[in-house]
Amino acid sequence: GQQVMQIPQYQHVQEGEDFTTYCNSSTTLSNIQWYKQRPGGHPVFLIQLVKSGEVKKQKRLTFQFGEAKKNSSLHITATQTTDVGTYFCALSGGSYIPTFGRGTSLIVHP
Amino acid sequence: NAGVTQTPKFQVLKTGQSMTLQCAQDMNHNSMYWYRQDPGMGLRLIYYSASEGTTDKGEVPNGYNVSRLNKREFSLRLESAAPSQTSVYFCASTRRAGRNEQYFGPGTRLTVT
Repeated sequence: GQQVMQIPQYQHVQEGEDFTTYCNSSTTLSNIQWYKQRPGGHPVFLIQLVKSGEVKKQKRLTFQFGEAKKNSSLHITATQTTDVGTYFCALSGGSYIPTFGRGTSLIVHP
Repeated sequence: NAGVTQTPKFQVLKTGQSMTLQCAQDMNHNSMYWYRQDPGMGLRLIYYSASEGTTDKGEVPNGYNVSRLNKREFSLRLESAAPSQTSVYFCASTRRAGRNEQYFGPGTRLTVT
């Protein structure tokens, strides 16, 4: 089946520092989705990337899809305490059944 | 629009007891999913239903059964609960499997003693 690696597992930052999480697949992907889960909450969809080399921005968040469509990254500029949570990537290959990464937990220290 | 609803929110079972987790969506989505979430393990797919009338196993189906009752409802049954099934269970739905974003319910926190 589809393998996905998401790193790092945890990231502690001081408020105002940048943050990046990476997602890597063993196979070429149809698309990749990113979700955010606040502590005690449920995953909430952030964005979907479909095209090779695609870059999308949402305010301080930048999402990239690799040229080979096997990896992706989420970068947050100047983190705020509201960014705290776990960020998941979800990969879809040919079967269109998504596989979630294990997530990166972001802890922001004020 | 309630989105995806799940009941119950919390449940404690003894080993060997059975229960059904209920999920419903009001977005006219075709596909529905059941996940379990354990610390450090991300979201693991238990079962999914790509469309009404079909169900398929996911990554961790053992000990579970599902029913896609109609387009709106997708239930998850534990026939004989085990401590290893202590977890948070999320139901999700999407318009088309693997092509559109998933909408998640609030989750059910299940403890099996």
